[in-house]
Amino acid sequence: QKEVEQNSGPLSVPEGAIASLNCTYSDRVSQSFFWYRQYSGKSPELIMSIYSNGDKEDGRFTAQLNKASQYVSLLIRDSQPSDSATYLCAVNNRHQKVTFGTGTKLQVIP
Amino acid sequence: ETGVTQTPRHLVMGMTNKKSLKCEQHLGHNAMYWYKQSAKKPLELMFVYNFKEQTENNSVPSRFSPECPNSSHLFLHLHTLQPEDSALYLCASSQGTAFTDTQYFGPGTRLTVL
Repeated sequence: QKEVEQNSGPLSVPEGAIASLNCTYSDRVSQSFFWYRQYSGKSPELIMSIYSNGDKEDGRFTAQLNKASQYVSLLIRDSQPSDSATYLCAVNNRHQKVTFGTGTKLQVIP
Repeated sequence: ETGVTQTPRHLVMGMTNKKSLKCEQHLGHNAMYWYKQSAKKPLELMFVYNFKEQTENNSVPSRFSPECPNSSHLFLHLHTLQPEDSALYLCASSQGTAFTDTQYFGPGTRLTVL
């Protein structure tokens, strides 16, 4: 079982729709969770971090964490073509080691 | 993002060459990291330094040799690499290595080994 799993996509959504990106992790005692956005040929940039169960909102982005289900998600409201990128889920596990998923490619269709 | 810089941005080298990658962070952070990113694979952590001390070596082959002279600078010395080492090498830094510490990435060095 992979430590951090994401659907590679591509996930295609029309402009203005909500994009929902999902991530599951295997280490039950993981403590912190991050979403990074990576444009093609560029380095990852942090979108959101979340540490507690529930929702965390920042502008058009909402991160959701459910530790019981070992599941973290990222919702992007009013998706824009500029949101088209690969979204990486990262989990800081019990060993203070950050493990990344393979990423989900999002395509926002104008 | 100019908080973490990397040079060179692109590097082509033969298998017998010796080269070095450089990373510098201007964020006042204490921890620095090297990652390897290959196509279709997740980011692979290579090395972690915290306060100049290496705290993680993720079973990296000895042809990769890191050096951290101070908390702001990190090098990756390369020698006798293999074609499968071709990848994007990313440097990152964070305030520390606590679970709340976010990593910030440099632009990466695209390495091609011929």
